[in-house]
Amino acid sequence: AQKVTQAQTEISVVEKEDVTLDCVYETRDTTYYLFWYKQPPSGELVFLIRRNSFDEQNEISGRYSWNFQKSTSSFNFTITASQVVDSAVYFCALTVGGGNKLTFGTGTQLKVEL
Amino acid sequence: DTEVTQTPKHLVMGMTNKKSLKCEQHMGHRAMYWYKQKAKKPPELMFVYSYEKLSINESVPSRFSPECPNSSLLNLHLHALQPEDSALYLCASSQGTSMANTGELFFGEGSRLTVL
Repeated sequence: AQKVTQAQTEISVVEKEDVTLDCVYETRDTTYYLFWYKQPPSGELVFLIRRNSFDEQNEISGRYSWNFQKSTSSFNFTITASQVVDSAVYFCALTVGGGNKLTFGTGTQLKVEL
Repeated sequence: DTEVTQTPKHLVMGMTNKKSLKCEQHMGHRAMYWYKQKAKKPPELMFVYSYEKLSINESVPSRFSPECPNSSLLNLHLHALQPEDSALYLCASSQGTSMANTGELFFGEGSRLTVL
């Protein structure tokens, strides 16, 4: 069975601070895909990134960066110079093999204040 | 704006009512999904349709009945619901039927259901 753990339930930061959201996953499959989604108050989940198990390269997209480390089964997400618009719930998710079922973590509520 | 449209945005129904949630996408996606999300919880998969056929049913009670009339539409028919069924119901679509190829799910904003 697969499992995704997001130990941080809620994080509060002041605007312009950097913040890292942790994600630890468990799976016995060698082929898997990791995702991050953002859920603003409006409700829809917004796709941020997908990473497959064979690609450990870190990725940067604007103020967002992701650190994938298979050795520690972690896929952490960092927001640099946070902004109020970053306030949302962030979910890490996992799927294995060729399936289309996502296993979500419990989410981290990020609050960015002025 | 999301490319997956869900209606209604809010629905209040009694336990004896019959209602339906609707979802529409025009991205040519071949897989569509229903998720249920309780407050402060992650989304839980309910159903998956691949090429208009039901491919996954996560042991959902029969009071929830999905329907996929065509490749762009997905309905969720509700009957004899319980108060504990109150939740945000999210529809999603993906280009392919495998996360290995499809890359991402596109979600709608959800229908917030309250069962009295």
